[in-house]
Amino acid sequence: AQSVTQLGSHVSVSEGALVLLRCNYSSSVPPYLFWYVQYPNQGLQLLLKYTTGATLVKGINGFEAEFKKSETSFHLTKPSAHMSDAAEYFCAVSQGGSQGNLIFGKGTKLSVKP
Amino acid sequence: DAGVTQSPTHLIKTRGQHVTLRCSPISGHKSVSWYQQVLGQGPQFIFQYYEKEERGRGNFPDRFSARQFPNYSSELNVNALLLGDSALYLCASSLQGAGGNTIYFGEGSWLTVV
Repeated sequence: AQSVTQLGSHVSVSEGALVLLRCNYSSSVPPYLFWYVQYPNQGLQLLLKYTTGATLVKGINGFEAEFKKSETSFHLTKPSAHMSDAAEYFCAVSQGGSQGNLIFGKGTKLSVKP
Repeated sequence: DAGVTQSPTHLIKTRGQHVTLRCSPISGHKSVSWYQQVLGQGPQFIFQYYEKEERGRGNFPDRFSARQFPNYSSELNVNALLLGDSALYLCASSLQGAGGNTIYFGEGSWLTVV
């Protein structure tokens, strides 16, 4: 069965500092990997996804993530945090084939200090 | 173009009652999925439908049911509501529902059971 582990339920950084949100997955088949962001009282917005090809994936709002098969990781980074990045971030995995439902991690809440 | 739209946005029900939540996918999307997000947790997969057929079901009791209509809209029904059913219910759509497809989420329906 597939699963996702997000290390750190809460991460706090200063404005302008590097953002690193960690995600590890387990999957018996090559996974498809996603990062979503959720602002308070809103739905989920896709930041980026990895399906095949280049392992460094660039997303919206300056975020990127690198798929590392040997480490079963898909960590999310942003070089310089902005106050507007404060939100909850979810890593998710889906399996191949016709059933594309997502399995989510428990989320990491990012706080950005001025 | 309109995104995934859900109704109602908020509702309060009493234990034992029934609730129906509605979802319209992005135009051209043929797959709709439902997720439950309890406060402080990641979304949990409930159902996936594609071309009006159930393609997947998560680990939820039979009190939960769903269907997809010819226009690809969908509704989620929950019978005999329990306090633990209080959550944000997210609808998501994708082109075909296959693994790797980008999944777009609506703003959700907040259900409170009292």
